[in-house]
Amino acid sequence: AQKITQTQPGMFVQEKEAVTLDCTYDTSDQSYGLFWYKQPSSGEMIFLIYQGSYDEQNATEGRYSLNFQKARKSANLVISASQLGDSAMYFCAMRSPINFGNEKLTFGTGTRLTIIP
Amino acid sequence: EAGVVQSPRYKIIEKKQPVAFWCNPISGHNTLYWYRQNLGQGPELLIRYENEEAVDDSQLPKDRFSAERLKGVDSTLKIQPAELGDSAVYLCASSPGTARGNEQFFGPGTRLTVL
Repeated sequence: AQKITQTQPGMFVQEKEAVTLDCTYDTSDQSYGLFWYKQPSSGEMIFLIYQGSYDEQNATEGRYSLNFQKARKSANLVISASQLGDSAMYFCAMRSPINFGNEKLTFGTGTRLTIIP
Repeated sequence: EAGVVQSPRYKIIEKKQPVAFWCNPISGHNTLYWYRQNLGQGPELLIRYENEEAVDDSQLPKDRFSAERLKGVDSTLKIQPAELGDSAVYLCASSPGTARGNEQFFGPGTRLTVL
């Protein structure tokens, strides 16, 4: 069965510092995808970044990067130069296997990130 | 490009009453999802549509929940009758089916409170 584990219920980080949000996953599939979403207090889930299991390089999107360590089954999100607007819940999610017909995302329980001015 | 639209944003009802949520996906997105997010948890899939066909409804409590996506665009999720345990945020999402990873784009959700 697929499972996502986020062990940090909450984090406080000083503005402009980098922050790493942890995510470990469990799957027996060889082909899978990992996603990070941001959920501000307004409620919508905002897609941040995607990493495919066969991607050779770690994904990057602006200030977001994904530290993908396949052997350790971890997919940590790194936010560089944090901003006050980064304060939100962050969810790691997995789609496994990643093939046509399986679109189900399995989410972790999230990490609440608070940026301190 | 307009995002996923949901209404209402908030709904408070008494138990045993019916309730309905509406979703309009991003234009051109054939796949539509309904998720339920309980407090302190990540979203859990209730049902997925490919165009007007429900292709995955294994997590939908069919005794009280129903959904439809007429004409393959808008969708409605209904609960009848509502129970106290149905209090949650109901999220609608859509995906294009073409992007790498086929990431899902979410609406703002409907926060349901059952009293």
